[in-house]
Amino acid sequence: SQQGEEDPQALSIQEGENATMNCSYKTSINNLQWYRQNSGRGLVHLILIRSNEREKHSGRLRVTLDTSKKSSSLLITASRAADTASYFCATDPYNNNDMRFGAGTRLTVKP
Amino acid sequence: NAGVTQTPKFQVLKTGQSMTLQCAQDMNHNSMYWYRQDPGMGLRLIYYSASEGTTDKGEVPNGYNVSRLNKREFSLRLESAAPSQTSVYFCASSFPPGPTDTQYFGPGTRLTVL
Repeated sequence: SQQGEEDPQALSIQEGENATMNCSYKTSINNLQWYRQNSGRGLVHLILIRSNEREKHSGRLRVTLDTSKKSSSLLITASRAADTASYFCATDPYNNNDMRFGAGTRLTVKP
Repeated sequence: NAGVTQTPKFQVLKTGQSMTLQCAQDMNHNSMYWYRQDPGMGLRLIYYSASEGTTDKGEVPNGYNVSRLNKREFSLRLESAAPSQTSVYFCASSFPPGPTDTQYFGPGTRLTVL
């Protein structure tokens, strides 16, 4: 069964706007990761946040983690058309090697 | 470095046929994984290999077998393909030990079973 669920399923914004995607999960975790997938390609790792961290930044990405609510958010600031992709959260409810992915948020950034 | 490579890129099978999907990585990673991705379902783990010589079932192992041939190569076999196995298959690798590690993905194999 899927561990994470992203919200919204689809998001369409204008270039320059910020995009926020959310992920909720069911069981306790050690870490949560976000990945990006361009159409027809494999996934690319964006950022990892550990269970004892609350916020992490990487370039235009900001990730928050609220373990009490079992949720995470990914914020992309000043979005670009090249950010158009599907974004997935992944958690490790069982062990380091058994990651569970959500169904993803499809982001469209219009130029 | 080529990273993670997969062959073939596309495959069409008839029900009951068998085939092997190949995966290789040149990053000296210990762990390798096979996922399938269906529309609206995200990725689901089929099998993984934490190290050379070991394999473990993931979330959806039924109908599949795997072989960790050596540290570089991890193959996925469908013995008797079924239409329900129509999907995009991704191989990935990572370099534990440590906290959940970043996985590096191959470009995928698009499989259709008629």
